Amino acid sequence: GQQLNQSPQSMFIQEGEDVSMNCTSSSIFNTWLWYKQDPGEGPVLLIALYKAGELTSNGRLTAQFGITRKDSFLNISASIPSDVGIYFCAGQLGSGGGADGLTFGKGTHLIIQP
Amino acid sequence: DTEVTQTPKHLVMGMTNKKSLKCEQHMGHRAMYWYKQKAKKPPELMFVYSYEKLSINESVPSRFSPECPNSSLLNLHLHALQPEDSALYLCASSREPGLGYEQYFGPGTRLTVT
Repeated sequence: GQQLNQSPQSMFIQEGEDVSMNCTSSSIFNTWLWYKQDPGEGPVLLIALYKAGELTSNGRLTAQFGITRKDSFLNISASIPSDVGIYFCAGQLGSGGGADGLTFGKGTHLIIQP
Repeated sequence: DTEVTQTPKHLVMGMTNKKSLKCEQHMGHRAMYWYKQKAKKPPELMFVYSYEKLSINESVPSRFSPECPNSSLLNLHLHALQPEDSALYLCASSREPGLGYEQYFGPGTRLTVT
């Protein structure tokens, strides 16, 4: 099925550094979501975005819904060891024409070096 | 509370077995989803239930049979699976179908087919 283009695929950073990742799509989405997944667990919702241009923060996390509705980014400030994991972006059409599932990016694997 | 529960956590089954995965949410959500996730890949949509009715089947083989007994429960019945069906099976729910509300995931069932 359709996938979003998520980059980078992996990041090796030092504790305390800022992190930035993004997703792009050839299709418009009406909702952008960012999830974090730890090994063997389900994805945990970090931030939900509903309006083009919307900028939303959740603690050290900030995400934006692109003005074209075809992209989104997630920033993490002052990374800490528990930020390690895989981050997924997901888009949802949400057109009101019936339920639809999420289209996921391939994920960004965040690794924090001591 | 945004909790989705899934049982069992782990399941090992032979190719001739019949088993069921269970998912439950008490958030009053009216859309529920099954996703399949292979190692190092993003989740892939399998089924969507809207108001307890199956609304999307992403061409899933008939050896997977979903069921929604009521608005809080979602089952996935498994029969005659293949080793390649081994994966993490995730359940999710959202407030209303088709309106782009965020989806909340359960912890998943790790399925191994031998």
